[in-house]
Amino acid sequence: EIVMTQSPATLSLSPGERATLSCRASQSIGSDLAWYQQKPGQAPRLLISGASVRATGIPARFSGSGSGTEFTLSITILQSEDFAVYYCQQYNDWPPYTFGQGTKLEIK
Amino acid sequence: QAHLVESGGGLVMPGGSLRLSCVASGFTFNTAYMAWIRQAPGKGLEWISYISTTGRTIYYAESVRGRFTISRDNAKNSLFLQINSLRAEDTAVYYCAREVGNSFAYWGQGALVTVSS
Repeated sequence: EIVMTQSPATLSLSPGERATLSCRASQSIGSDLAWYQQKPGQAPRLLISGASVRATGIPARFSGSGSGTEFTLSITILQSEDFAVYYCQQYNDWPPYTFGQGTKLEIK
Repeated sequence: QAHLVESGGGLVMPGGSLRLSCVASGFTFNTAYMAWIRQAPGKGLEWISYISTTGRTIYYAESVRGRFTISRDNAKNSLFLQINSLRAEDTAVYYCAREVGNSFAYWGQGALVTVSS
């Protein structure tokens, strides 16, 4: 089973700043990585698949990069609605699909 | 626009059973690969099961294999999860999700299952 590790666990930033979230896979997964955003009391929302392809309707301030074992989700010019928990998920070697433990992006 | 609505959650005693349902709309259900994903209170996401378009291919997470059964009724645009031998650690919000390219593009609002005596 591929283990996904996200860092940091919590990221404290102010609106207008840039956020950089990391996700590491325990073995190479190519570009088979997705990112999700989850707000309290809501289901997760797909942001990015294929490591860097934004899902329909996702603002351009969200971008994904990386391949192999190291991946990054960047959010430029943070908006108030961006403060949430973010998860990465691999789909290179499944079952099982595996998720990272999440990064909480909170307002500083 | 794809829409998924789960139902069937509730409070169950340890060892009990429950059947979750997920009704789909806004897309052609019989061409969709579907999954169940759960989230324990205050915890992260855990994929638990997958079913192919026809139901011929099914996978489970190790944590639920032998106790959970996924199924679908394409005529009724519905996905199901039969959960048996419930344990306290099965307490979670259960989401149905539609896969697109192996990522989960659409999610239901979730159904809360609480296992407690």
